[in-house]
Amino acid sequence: GESVGLHLPTLSVQEGDNSIINCAYSNSASDYFIWYKQESGKGPQFIIDIRSNMDKRQGQRVTVLLNKTVKHLSLQIAATQPGDSAVYFCAGGGGTSYGKLTFGQGTILTVHP
Amino acid sequence: KAGVTQTPRYLIKTRGQQVTLSCSPISGHRSVSWYQQTPGQGLQFLFEYFSETQRNKGNFPGRFSGRQFSNSRSEMNVSTLELGDSALYLCASSQLTNTGELFFGEGSRLTVL
Repeated sequence: GESVGLHLPTLSVQEGDNSIINCAYSNSASDYFIWYKQESGKGPQFIIDIRSNMDKRQGQRVTVLLNKTVKHLSLQIAATQPGDSAVYFCAGGGGTSYGKLTFGQGTILTVHP
Repeated sequence: KAGVTQTPRYLIKTRGQQVTLSCSPISGHRSVSWYQQTPGQGLQFLFEYFSETQRNKGNFPGRFSGRQFSNSRSEMNVSTLELGDSALYLCASSQLTNTGELFFGEGSRLTVL
Protein backbone atom coordinates (compact mmCIF):
# COMPACT_ATOMS: atom_id res chain seq x y z
CA GLY A 1 0.00 0.00 0.00
CA GLU A 2 2.80 2.56 0.54
CA SER A 3 4.05 4.40 -2.51
CA VAL A 4 7.34 2.81 -3.50
CA GLY A 5 9.82 2.47 -6.31
CA LEU A 6 10.06 3.37 -9.94
CA HIS A 7 8.61 0.27 -11.50
CA LEU A 8 4.86 -0.02 -11.47
CA PRO A 9 3.23 -3.41 -11.86
CA THR A 10 1.68 -3.84 -15.27
CA LEU A 11 -1.33 -5.75 -16.49
CA SER A 12 -1.97 -6.33 -20.16
CA VAL A 13 -5.32 -7.70 -21.34
CA GLN A 14 -7.34 -8.11 -24.49
CA GLU A 15 -10.44 -6.05 -25.11
CA GLY A 16 -13.46 -7.83 -23.70
CA ASP A 17 -11.50 -9.72 -21.04
CA ASN A 18 -12.05 -9.17 -17.34
CA SER A 19 -9.25 -7.43 -15.48
CA ILE A 20 -8.24 -7.81 -11.85
CA ILE A 21 -5.97 -5.23 -10.27
CA ASN A 22 -4.59 -5.93 -6.82
CA CYS A 23 -3.42 -3.77 -3.98
CA ALA A 24 -1.89 -4.56 -0.60
CA TYR A 25 -2.36 -1.96 2.09
CA SER A 26 -0.59 -1.41 5.38
CA ASN A 27 -2.81 0.99 7.33
CA SER A 28 -5.46 -1.06 9.11
CA ALA A 29 -6.92 2.14 10.56
CA SER A 30 -8.39 3.24 7.23
CA ASP A 31 -12.16 3.72 7.38
CA TYR A 32 -12.54 3.38 3.65
CA PHE A 33 -10.62 2.42 0.57
CA ILE A 34 -10.88 3.91 -2.86
CA TRP A 35 -9.79 3.15 -6.40
CA TYR A 36 -8.67 5.91 -8.71
CA LYS A 37 -7.90 5.86 -12.43
CA GLN A 38 -5.31 8.17 -13.93
CA GLU A 39 -5.07 8.62 -17.67
CA SER A 40 -2.01 10.11 -19.28
CA GLY A 41 -1.83 13.86 -18.74
CA LYS A 42 -4.78 13.95 -16.37
CA GLY A 43 -5.38 13.94 -12.67
CA PRO A 44 -6.68 10.83 -10.87
CA GLN A 45 -10.38 10.14 -11.28
CA PHE A 46 -12.51 8.47 -8.60
CA ILE A 47 -13.85 5.05 -9.58
CA ILE A 48 -15.37 3.43 -6.54
CA ASP A 49 -15.01 3.31 -2.76
CA ILE A 50 -15.64 0.67 -0.12
CA ARG A 51 -16.00 1.11 3.60
CA SER A 52 -13.79 -0.96 5.87
CA ASN A 53 -16.79 -2.84 7.29
CA MET A 54 -17.72 -4.18 3.85
CA ASP A 55 -16.07 -6.90 1.81
CA LYS A 56 -17.58 -6.27 -1.61
CA ARG A 57 -19.09 -3.40 -3.53
CA GLN A 58 -20.22 -3.26 -7.13
CA GLY A 59 -20.45 -0.37 -9.51
CA GLN A 60 -20.92 -0.08 -13.22
CA ARG A 61 -18.60 -2.72 -14.74
CA VAL A 62 -16.43 -2.61 -11.62
CA THR A 63 -16.34 -4.59 -8.40
CA VAL A 64 -14.10 -3.91 -5.43
CA LEU A 65 -13.23 -6.66 -2.98
CA LEU A 66 -11.74 -6.06 0.44
CA ASN A 67 -10.02 -8.73 2.49
CA LYS A 68 -9.08 -7.22 5.83
CA THR A 69 -7.55 -10.43 7.12
CA VAL A 70 -4.71 -10.26 4.60
CA LYS A 71 -4.97 -6.49 4.03
CA HIS A 72 -5.77 -6.89 0.36
CA LEU A 73 -7.91 -4.88 -1.99
CA SER A 74 -8.79 -5.71 -5.57
CA LEU A 75 -10.57 -4.00 -8.44
CA GLN A 76 -12.30 -6.12 -11.02
CA ILE A 77 -13.21 -4.56 -14.34
CA ALA A 78 -15.66 -6.49 -16.49
CA ALA A 79 -15.46 -6.50 -20.29
CA THR A 80 -12.37 -4.30 -20.32
CA GLN A 81 -12.28 -1.68 -23.05
CA PRO A 82 -9.37 0.24 -24.62
CA GLY A 83 -10.63 3.34 -22.79
CA ASP A 84 -9.86 1.57 -19.52
CA SER A 85 -6.13 1.77 -20.26
CA ALA A 86 -4.66 3.89 -17.48
CA VAL A 87 -2.78 3.72 -14.19
CA TYR A 88 -4.96 2.50 -11.33
CA PHE A 89 -4.29 3.49 -7.74
CA CYS A 90 -5.76 2.19 -4.53
CA ALA A 91 -5.94 4.58 -1.60
CA GLY A 92 -7.04 4.56 2.01
CA GLY A 93 -8.46 7.27 4.19
CA GLY A 94 -10.45 7.86 7.32
CA GLY A 95 -11.51 9.95 10.24
CA THR A 96 -12.09 13.61 9.55
CA SER A 97 -9.18 13.77 7.13
CA TYR A 98 -11.44 14.03 4.12
CA GLY A 99 -8.74 15.18 1.77
CA LYS A 100 -5.86 13.13 3.13
CA LEU A 101 -5.47 9.82 1.35
CA THR A 102 -2.61 7.34 1.39
CA PHE A 103 -2.07 6.06 -2.13
CA GLY A 104 -0.61 2.79 -3.30
CA GLN A 105 2.04 2.65 -5.99
CA GLY A 106 -0.30 2.10 -8.91
CA THR A 107 -0.76 -0.51 -11.61
CA ILE A 108 -0.53 0.17 -15.33
CA LEU A 109 -3.40 -1.43 -17.23
CA THR A 110 -3.05 -1.77 -20.99
CA VAL A 111 -6.00 -3.00 -23.01
CA HIS A 112 -5.26 -4.29 -26.50
CA PRO A 113 -8.01 -4.05 -29.16
CA LYS B 1 -20.06 22.50 -13.64
CA ALA B 2 -16.41 23.45 -14.09
CA GLY B 3 -13.81 21.08 -12.71
CA VAL B 4 -10.78 21.83 -10.59
CA THR B 5 -8.55 24.34 -12.33
CA GLN B 6 -4.84 24.52 -11.72
CA THR B 7 -2.46 27.16 -13.00
CA PRO B 8 0.08 27.22 -14.41
CA ARG B 9 0.02 23.85 -16.13
CA TYR B 10 3.75 23.81 -16.82
CA LEU B 11 6.63 25.75 -15.42
CA ILE B 12 10.40 25.60 -15.31
CA LYS B 13 12.42 27.03 -12.45
CA THR B 14 16.02 26.91 -11.34
CA ARG B 15 17.39 25.74 -8.03
CA GLY B 16 16.98 28.26 -5.24
CA GLN B 17 13.97 29.98 -6.77
CA GLN B 18 10.50 29.83 -5.37
CA VAL B 19 7.21 28.95 -7.03
CA THR B 20 3.53 29.55 -6.35
CA LEU B 21 0.86 27.26 -7.75
CA SER B 22 -2.81 28.08 -7.83
CA CYS B 23 -5.93 25.96 -7.54
CA SER B 24 -9.60 26.83 -8.04
CA PRO B 25 -11.85 24.11 -6.61
CA ILE B 26 -15.20 23.01 -7.94
CA SER B 27 -17.87 25.52 -7.01
CA GLY B 28 -19.29 24.65 -3.60
CA HIS B 29 -16.34 22.52 -2.54
CA ARG B 30 -14.73 23.93 0.58
CA SER B 31 -11.98 21.37 1.11
CA VAL B 32 -8.82 21.58 -0.96
CA SER B 33 -5.92 19.16 -0.79
CA TRP B 34 -2.56 19.12 -2.49
CA TYR B 35 -0.52 16.14 -3.60
CA GLN B 36 2.92 15.68 -5.10
CA GLN B 37 3.31 12.99 -7.74
CA THR B 38 6.72 11.69 -8.78
CA PRO B 39 7.81 8.47 -10.50
CA GLY B 40 9.87 7.52 -7.47
CA GLN B 41 7.48 8.25 -4.62
CA GLY B 42 4.10 8.12 -6.31
CA LEU B 43 1.28 10.25 -4.96
CA GLN B 44 2.08 11.87 -1.64
CA PHE B 45 -0.18 14.07 0.44
CA LEU B 46 1.08 17.59 1.06
CA PHE B 47 -1.68 19.40 2.93
CA GLU B 48 -5.42 19.92 3.25
CA TYR B 49 -7.32 23.14 3.79
CA PHE B 50 -10.85 23.83 4.86
CA SER B 51 -12.36 27.22 5.63
CA GLU B 52 -8.97 28.88 5.24
CA THR B 53 -7.45 26.60 7.90
CA GLN B 54 -4.87 23.89 7.38
CA ARG B 55 -6.41 20.67 8.68
CA ASN B 56 -3.66 18.22 7.85
CA LYS B 57 -0.08 18.34 6.69
CA GLY B 58 2.01 15.63 5.09
CA ASN B 59 5.62 14.79 5.74
CA PHE B 60 7.26 17.54 3.72
CA PRO B 61 9.81 20.16 4.77
CA GLY B 62 8.78 23.66 5.77
CA ARG B 63 9.75 24.91 2.31
CA PHE B 64 6.34 23.66 1.24
CA SER B 65 3.50 25.87 2.37
CA GLY B 66 0.00 26.68 1.35
CA ARG B 67 -3.02 28.75 2.07
CA GLN B 68 -6.69 28.96 1.28
CA PHE B 69 -8.70 32.05 0.61
CA SER B 70 -12.25 32.91 1.64
CA ASN B 71 -13.55 31.86 -1.79
CA SER B 72 -11.95 28.41 -1.25
CA ARG B 73 -9.28 29.00 -3.87
CA SER B 74 -5.91 27.74 -2.71
CA GLU B 75 -2.26 28.35 -3.42
CA MET B 76 0.82 26.39 -2.54
CA ASN B 77 4.32 27.74 -2.43
CA VAL B 78 7.67 26.01 -2.57
CA SER B 79 10.67 28.08 -1.57
CA THR B 80 14.36 27.45 -2.22
CA LEU B 81 13.61 24.92 -4.93
CA GLU B 82 15.65 21.75 -5.15
CA LEU B 83 16.05 19.39 -8.10
CA GLY B 84 14.01 16.82 -6.22
CA ASP B 85 11.01 19.13 -6.16
CA SER B 86 10.45 18.42 -9.85
CA ALA B 87 7.05 16.79 -9.90
CA LEU B 88 3.42 17.00 -10.88
CA TYR B 89 1.56 18.93 -8.20
CA LEU B 90 -2.08 17.97 -8.00
CA CYS B 91 -4.87 19.83 -6.33
CA ALA B 92 -8.09 18.13 -5.33
CA SER B 93 -11.34 19.46 -3.95
CA SER B 94 -14.10 17.65 -2.11
CA GLN B 95 -17.44 18.09 -0.40
CA LEU B 96 -16.31 16.62 2.93
CA THR B 97 -18.02 13.29 2.34
CA ASN B 98 -16.43 10.42 4.18
CA THR B 99 -15.91 8.37 1.04
CA GLY B 100 -12.52 9.46 -0.19
CA GLU B 101 -14.00 10.92 -3.35
CA LEU B 102 -11.69 13.72 -4.37
CA PHE B 103 -11.92 15.68 -7.59
CA PHE B 104 -8.47 16.28 -8.99
CA GLY B 105 -7.26 18.93 -11.36
CA GLU B 106 -4.87 18.11 -14.20
CA GLY B 107 -1.91 19.31 -12.17
CA SER B 108 0.97 21.74 -12.46
CA ARG B 109 4.10 20.17 -13.90
CA LEU B 110 7.14 21.73 -12.21
CA THR B 111 10.63 21.18 -13.57
CA VAL B 112 13.56 22.40 -11.50
CA LEU B 113 16.85 22.80 -13.36
